[in-house]
Amino acid sequence: SQKIEQNSEALNIQEGKTATLTCNYTNYSPAYLQWYRQDPGRGPVFLLLIRENEKEKRKERLKVTFDTTLKQSLFHITASQPADSATYLCALRLNRDDKIIFGKGTRLHILP
Amino acid sequence: NAGVTQTPKFRVLKTGQSMTLLCAQDMNHEYMYWYRQDPGMGLRLIHYSVGEGTTAKGEVPDGYNVSRLKKQNFLLGLESAAPSQTSVYFCASSYSRRSYNEQFFGPGTRLTVL
Repeated sequence: SQKIEQNSEALNIQEGKTATLTCNYTNYSPAYLQWYRQDPGRGPVFLLLIRENEKEKRKERLKVTFDTTLKQSLFHITASQPADSATYLCALRLNRDDKIIFGKGTRLHILP
Repeated sequence: NAGVTQTPKFRVLKTGQSMTLLCAQDMNHEYMYWYRQDPGMGLRLIHYSVGEGTTAKGEVPDGYNVSRLKKQNFLLGLESAAPSQTSVYFCASSYSRRSYNEQFFGPGTRLTVL
């Protein structure tokens, strides 16, 4: 069956350290993968997109990697801050499909 | 530029009642989506639309109907609400599928069915 898996446990990281979140998928052939941030009581907000033929993408303190052989994406926040505390969702758009499938999200807590 | 708006923000229904959730976007986006989000389940796609006058089923379409009579609006209907439809509903829109486009989400509608 098709699955998208993100760390189900909350992730606690000390302020200033790098937070790394994982998104694994099985039995999908994604055209691209996106990462979103969601704060409590709010809708998700887009952060980064990486295409199937790209290995890495950066935006300020954010970095995303995409390994289609391992079927995995890693999302890094460097120099983390308490304001980075949120739930982070990965989403796949499948080849030849109009739908985007979301993972369940990982809650990140940056501890001051 | 309001982005994606949803009406209402909160609603309580009794089992068997009907209601319509309205989503509006002012970005001239072709694609619009309805999701529900439940604890431990993540975002699940209910229905989506790739343009005015078109709709398609997502992962969990049963018990819901949708209409896209105008490009800027996407309506989600519950004909006979059930407690299992208690959830937070999010609408989203994106420019198109051909470009690698992000989805813009609305603020959500919290629905409780008693």
